[in-house]
Amino acid sequence: AQKVTQAQTEISVVEKEDVTLDCVYETRDTTYYLFWYKQPPSGELVFLIRRNSFDEQNEISGRYSWNFQKSTSSFNFTITASQVVDSAVYFCALSGSNSGNTPLVFGKGTRLSVIA
Amino acid sequence: GAGVSQSPRYKVAKRGQDVALRCDPISGHVSLFWYQQALGQGPEFLTYFQNEAQLDKSGLPSDRFFAERPEGSVSTLKIQRTQQEDSAVYLCASSLPRDYGEQFFGPGTRLTVL
Repeated sequence: AQKVTQAQTEISVVEKEDVTLDCVYETRDTTYYLFWYKQPPSGELVFLIRRNSFDEQNEISGRYSWNFQKSTSSFNFTITASQVVDSAVYFCALSGSNSGNTPLVFGKGTRLSVIA
Repeated sequence: GAGVSQSPRYKVAKRGQDVALRCDPISGHVSLFWYQQALGQGPEFLTYFQNEAQLDKSGLPSDRFFAERPEGSVSTLKIQRTQQEDSAVYLCASSLPRDYGEQFFGPGTRLTVL
């Protein structure tokens, strides 16, 4: 069975600090996808990134970066120089080999509060 | 183009009432998913459609939950004889059924059962 664990329930940081959100996953599939979504107070899930299991190259997008390590089954997310607008619940998710027609398995989320 | 829309955004029901939640997917998206998100939890899969065919309903928690997508576009999630434990946000997502298909989520319907 597939499982995603986000051990950090809540994190508070002061604006401009860096913060890393942890994600550990379990799957027996050899091909799978990993995702991060942001859920602001409005409630809508906002897609941030999708990563194929064969691509372990780290990715950076502006202040966001992702560290995928297959050896430890982890897909961690770092926000550099955090801002108040980053305050939200962040979910890590996992899907099977065809991400367009297989359900996503979500972690329980990490609530990030960025304080001005 | 328009994203996934859901209605109503909020629904309050008395225990025992039937409710119907609607999802309008992105035009042309063949795949449609329903998820249930309890307070403080991540979304959990309920059911999946490809066009009008319901290919997976393994996540539906009981036979009080029923989903349909008769013309392969709009979908309705119906809950009969609602119970307090049904209180949650119900999220709909649509996608193209292919590799690299990203699921686009609607704003959700928050159901409160009193």
